[in-house]
Amino acid sequence: AQSVTQLDSHVSVSEGTPVLLRCNYSSSYSPSLFWYVQHPNKGLQLLLKYTSAATLVKGINGFEAEFKKSETSFHLTKPSAHMSDAAEYFCVVSDPYKAAGNKLTFGGGTRVLVKP
Amino acid sequence: SQTIHQWPATLVQPVGSPLSLECTVEGTSNPNLYWYRQAAGRGLQLLFYSVGIGQISSEVPQNLSASRPQDRQFILSSKKLLLSDSGFYLCAWGSVGNQPQHFGDGTRLSIL
Repeated sequence: AQSVTQLDSHVSVSEGTPVLLRCNYSSSYSPSLFWYVQHPNKGLQLLLKYTSAATLVKGINGFEAEFKKSETSFHLTKPSAHMSDAAEYFCVVSDPYKAAGNKLTFGGGTRVLVKP
Repeated sequence: SQTIHQWPATLVQPVGSPLSLECTVEGTSNPNLYWYRQAAGRGLQLLFYSVGIGQISSEVPQNLSASRPQDRQFILSSKKLLLSDSGFYLCAWGSVGNQPQHFGDGTRLSIL
């Protein structure tokens, strides 16, 4: 079975400093991994995706994530936080060969606070 | 390009009243469709998914039902709402294989 663990439920950073959101996954096959962002009262927006191509994935808004199979991790980073990055972030795993209907497994979310 | 529409954006309903939330997708054919609920301070819970017209899979037994009358239309319903049905409801579409799902803007449902 798939599972996703986001190691921090809350992260607080100062504007202009780096952001690191940690994610570990468990999957019995070669999974696809995604990061989504959710601003208050909005839907989830896809930040980036890993689908077995390059292990360093670049996404929108300056975010990137590195897939490390040996560590079963997919941490999300950004070199310099902006006030608009304040939101909740979800790490998600998909195992289309195992999950009927291409169902996703979501992490519990990390809420990011950006201080001016 | 593909777009997904969900309405209404907010809804306030009394306990015991019926519910109908609608979701439509444009720009793609035969998508997988999903309904999620996000309770306050909690993660996303998959409620229903559909891989084709008239095909509905339920993930959690509850007071809600879903229907897919057309290829790109997905409806979430209830005959009698409970207080516990309050939450943020999200519709999403996806394709086969290892592609991500794409989400609508959600409906905030408050039950009084």
